[in-house]
Amino acid sequence: AQRVTQPEKLLSVFKGAPVELKCNYSYSGSPELFWYVQYSRQRLQLLLRHISRESIKGFTADLNKGETSFHLKKPFAQEEDSAMYYCALASGNTGKLIFGQGTTLQVKP
Amino acid sequence: GAVVSQHPSRVICKSGTSVKIECRSLDFQATTMFWYRQFPKQSLMLMATSNEGSKATYEQGVEKDKFLINHASLTLSTLTVTSAHPEDSSFYICSGQASNSPLHFGNGTRLTVT
Repeated sequence: AQRVTQPEKLLSVFKGAPVELKCNYSYSGSPELFWYVQYSRQRLQLLLRHISRESIKGFTADLNKGETSFHLKKPFAQEEDSAMYYCALASGNTGKLIFGQGTTLQVKP
Repeated sequence: GAVVSQHPSRVICKSGTSVKIECRSLDFQATTMFWYRQFPKQSLMLMATSNEGSKATYEQGVEKDKFLINHASLTLSTLTVTSAHPEDSSFYICSGQASNSPLHFGNGTRLTVT
């Protein structure tokens, strides 16, 4: 079964601390994974995708096929990073996304 | 960047009435649009996929006669919740996609059925 799991509902850190938002997936084929972010009162927007292997706003995520994980990391959290983060898996070539439950990141001053 | 406009952002209706939600791609042609539903403190669940000019494909467990989706043009898709009931109260989100491009999400519609 295709599934995305984000084990933490809430992650609270202090400004400047490292952040890791966990994401594990279950998929039989070659996965395409994404991280989406939703800031307060804003729409869901793409943060990064594993294909691009890029760093956006200091965040990176590496696909680990052995561990079936796609954890999102940032070495030094900022208050403006406080938001809801969703890990998502693209199902085949249909464009359909399967979302994890989401993790609220709270960065305290 | 590409923008998807979803309207209304919030609607309250009485049980038994129908509600239409619009999703427009403002500066790109969305060949495919997706409709999601999100219950409080839960993840987004895909309801259906619609391609311009064809019938929508519904996910298992989603009643196609209750959630009518129309995608008549490359810039507009609508979701009509027919004969709404309180259990239909939820947050509905659309997203649009041009060919081989990332998804762009609307702001969502908070539906409350009284």
